[in-house]
Amino acid sequence: DGGITQSPKYLFRKEGQNVTLSCEQNLNHDAMYWYRQDPGQGLRLIYYSQIVNDFQKGDIAEGYSVSREKKESFPLTVTSAQKNPTAFYLCASRRGLAGGSSYNEQFFGPGTRLTVL
Amino acid sequence: GQNIDQPTEMTATEGAIVQINCTYQTSGFNGLFWYQQHAGEAPTFLSYNVLDGLEEKGRFSSFLSRSKGYSYLLLKELQMKDSASYLCAAFSGGYNKLIFGAGTRLAVHP
Repeated sequence: DGGITQSPKYLFRKEGQNVTLSCEQNLNHDAMYWYRQDPGQGLRLIYYSQIVNDFQKGDIAEGYSVSREKKESFPLTVTSAQKNPTAFYLCASRRGLAGGSSYNEQFFGPGTRLTVL
Repeated sequence: GQNIDQPTEMTATEGAIVQINCTYQTSGFNGLFWYQQHAGEAPTFLSYNVLDGLEEKGRFSSFLSRSKGYSYLLLKELQMKDSASYLCAAFSGGYNKLIFGAGTRLAVHP
């Protein structure tokens, strides 16, 4: 079964600790995305990557870092510099960089709910 | 600039029809998506419009007018399970990313 996996589903950390959220996809998609969602809010883009070894900041990148060493993996690190890290984090992937409509749809992972105590 | 607007909340009655509107301003616009999101879960794909007109898929339909920067999602024969947030998202070909609206929370009542 092809899809996107995020682990763990729930994550608790102490304030001041860095934490890395995993995102893996076996859809052979080129582009991957990280979003943050706060209660009752829409999705805000943190970082995205269109190809391996390349990534761009989204709208709220401060306090976060990413890497894209493999096509299948796009881990997100929430650093101690992120002032309000408690949120629901969603990873997504998209098939291609350009092309027809089927290339534009984003598929989402199940999400990781991070709580900082 | 890039902007997506949709109503924050809507309520409707089971069995009725509801229309959720979305207006957008996006550079390099290349399509409009609607996603459904139940509380605590990931968004799931509902529809995609790239050309003007209406796309029908069972109880759900989506409409796009590129000249007006406007889309709507039409839900017919509402069921209780349709209570969820509905996210409008415009694809920006210039940035190769989706721009999401804040979502519309729909509550369906008996």
